[in-house]
Amino acid sequence: SAVISQKPSRDICQRGTSLTIQCQVDSQVTMMFWYRQQPGQSLTLIATANQGSEATYESGFVIDKFPISRPNLTFSTLTVSNMSPEDSSIYLCSVEGGPSGRESYEQYFGPGTRLTVT
Amino acid sequence: DAKTTQPTSMDCAEGRAANLPCNHSTISGNEYVYWYRQIHSQGPQYIIHGLKNNETNEMASLIITEDRKSSTLILPHATLRDTAVYYCIVRADNYGQNFVFGPGTRLSVLP
Repeated sequence: SAVISQKPSRDICQRGTSLTIQCQVDSQVTMMFWYRQQPGQSLTLIATANQGSEATYESGFVIDKFPISRPNLTFSTLTVSNMSPEDSSIYLCSVEGGPSGRESYEQYFGPGTRLTVT
Repeated sequence: DAKTTQPTSMDCAEGRAANLPCNHSTISGNEYVYWYRQIHSQGPQYIIHGLKNNETNEMASLIITEDRKSSTLILPHATLRDTAVYYCIVRADNYGQNFVFGPGTRLSVLP
């Protein structure tokens, strides 16, 4: 399975500021995703990070609030913009598939970034 | 919305088998059953998945009923480190298909 790292692992931020979270994979992957897990809740998909094109957002999530980049097959960033306390969550990236086609349909998750907005 | 229903919580004695049920009565013919678990403060961990045959790997066994409307994840010898939230998810095996996480089952392995 892919080894996924996220930076930062946690942060405490002031409202109105922005934070960029990085996701790095140790091998090329076809798909990368960003999820949010609010306190005591299950995971919710934010968007699919597409390499070389704009991310595909789920209902309730918009690019202005959660801009995403994916410059290559091993790296993606998620920015949480103009933060409010309601954005306090764990943000997780996940990956699926190898570069040569169907190698795996499982998704593997990073360790998460725990964000607290004060 | 999640297409599965699971008990909210379960207890299991250390060293015994943990049997976690999942109902997925509306599963489609091309949808697989996936199991993940999330240990506190960590990202979800893939456990196993299957279509219609029973599956086994080094972590667990997956038993799927013949009509595919329910399944059971079996941890044969539960340890304290297996305490986690276990998610049962149905999803078609196509790239880009979303994993929809429900609330899962909180398994507590007791000494």
